Amino acid sequence: GENVEQHPSTLSVQEGDSAVIKCTYSDSASNYFPWYKQELGKRPQLIIDIRSNVGEKKDQRIAVTLNKTAKHFSLHITETQPEDSAVYFCAARYSGGGADGLTFGKGTHLIIQP
Amino acid sequence: NAGVTQTPKFQVLKTGQSMTLQCAQDMNHEYMSWYRQDPGMGLRLIHYSVGAGITDQGEVPNGYNVSRSTTEDFPLRLLSAAPSQTSVYFCASSRGPDQPQHFGDGTRLSIL
Repeated sequence: GENVEQHPSTLSVQEGDSAVIKCTYSDSASNYFPWYKQELGKRPQLIIDIRSNVGEKKDQRIAVTLNKTAKHFSLHITETQPEDSAVYFCAARYSGGGADGLTFGKGTHLIIQP
Repeated sequence: NAGVTQTPKFQVLKTGQSMTLQCAQDMNHEYMSWYRQDPGMGLRLIHYSVGAGITDQGEVPNGYNVSRSTTEDFPLRLLSAAPSQTSVYFCASSRGPDQPQHFGDGTRLSIL
């Protein structure tokens, strides 16, 4: 199966600065890598995703990069705002057999300091 | 358009009781899944379904059963509740396992 490691567990940045969250995965058969944002007491919501045939994807202030050789992918948030404060989860979809679903990292609590 | 609807939102059970968590989606998605979320553990896949009549086990299936008689509904059954099953349960649906998953609001379950 798949194993996803996420770092850091907590990240505090000044408003307006950039934030970077990193994840590694274990199996080269994984082919889909979404990122979810979860506010306290709410459902996870997809903010961006990337597939294994793409190296980078950007949506306004949010970007994701994927390095298949090193088996890691990162979330980049620029010009952070107070509403970016939340827990962010990376995930990987393992397609090499067995359970066909997402394996999540343990989350990063992003705190935007005013 | 309701998306993914989970009921109940909160539930307290005694050890050994059984119950069913309901999940329904109105987006005609083939893929549905159940996750549990525990503090510091992220979300872990319990069971999933790729279509009506087809279900399979995820990462943590023990103590849970599922069925998928229709495209819309994917209930999760706890046969004999244990304190270790205290968690927040999320149901999700998508067009496929490699497509954006839409989550319900979750069911917060406490087992005493």
